[in-house]
Amino acid sequence: GDSVTQMEGPVTLSEEAFLTINCTYTATGYPSLFWYVQYPGEGLQLLLKATKADDKGSNKGFEATYRKETTSFHLEKGSVQVSDSAVYFCALSDQENSGGSNYKLTFGKGTLLTVNP
Amino acid sequence: DSGVTQTPKHLITATGQRVTLRCSPRSGDLSVYWYQQSLDQGLQFLIQYYNGEERAKGNILERFSAQQFPDLHSELNLSSLELGDSALYFCASSVGLARWGEQYFGPGTRLTVT
Repeated sequence: GDSVTQMEGPVTLSEEAFLTINCTYTATGYPSLFWYVQYPGEGLQLLLKATKADDKGSNKGFEATYRKETTSFHLEKGSVQVSDSAVYFCALSDQENSGGSNYKLTFGKGTLLTVNP
Repeated sequence: DSGVTQTPKHLITATGQRVTLRCSPRSGDLSVYWYQQSLDQGLQFLIQYYNGEERAKGNILERFSAQQFPDLHSELNLSSLELGDSALYFCASSVGLARWGEQYFGPGTRLTVT
């Protein structure tokens, strides 16, 4: 079955540091890939997405590139801020079953990021 | 604000009891998803409805059930509650079933079973 593996946290950085959160996946089809973010006390929000190989998703200074050859979708940001402190989830959307029309999201376990001033 | 609403925000109840969680999807969204988030299990997909019909089941216990009503709101029923059912329950919605369709999450209901 489909699965998503994220680097284990927690990750603690100083403001303006470079961020990488690794994400790799296994899927039977050709999935779309997503990063969601969960701020304290809130639900998940879509941060960025990529729907095919070599696509780069970007939003709010975050980027991730869909690498089919390495089955990866690593999240990066050049200069983190205190306000980026949150839990980040990598996810993929794939067919429920071969030839089916239903797609479901599979999430990684999440990575807690804390940014200190 | 994602446009997805969930009630109640917090729920405290005793073991053996039954509770109902409610979700209203974004306007125009036909799919509703339920997730359970706990410290040990992470974010687990429970069940999906599309336009009133069940479309996919995940790790949902037999003690749990859900439905989606004609106005597209959904309810998750949890019965014979156990301490281990304490968790955050999220509802999400999406326009349809497309692979590139992102899901929009509600703020969640925090269930505490004592």
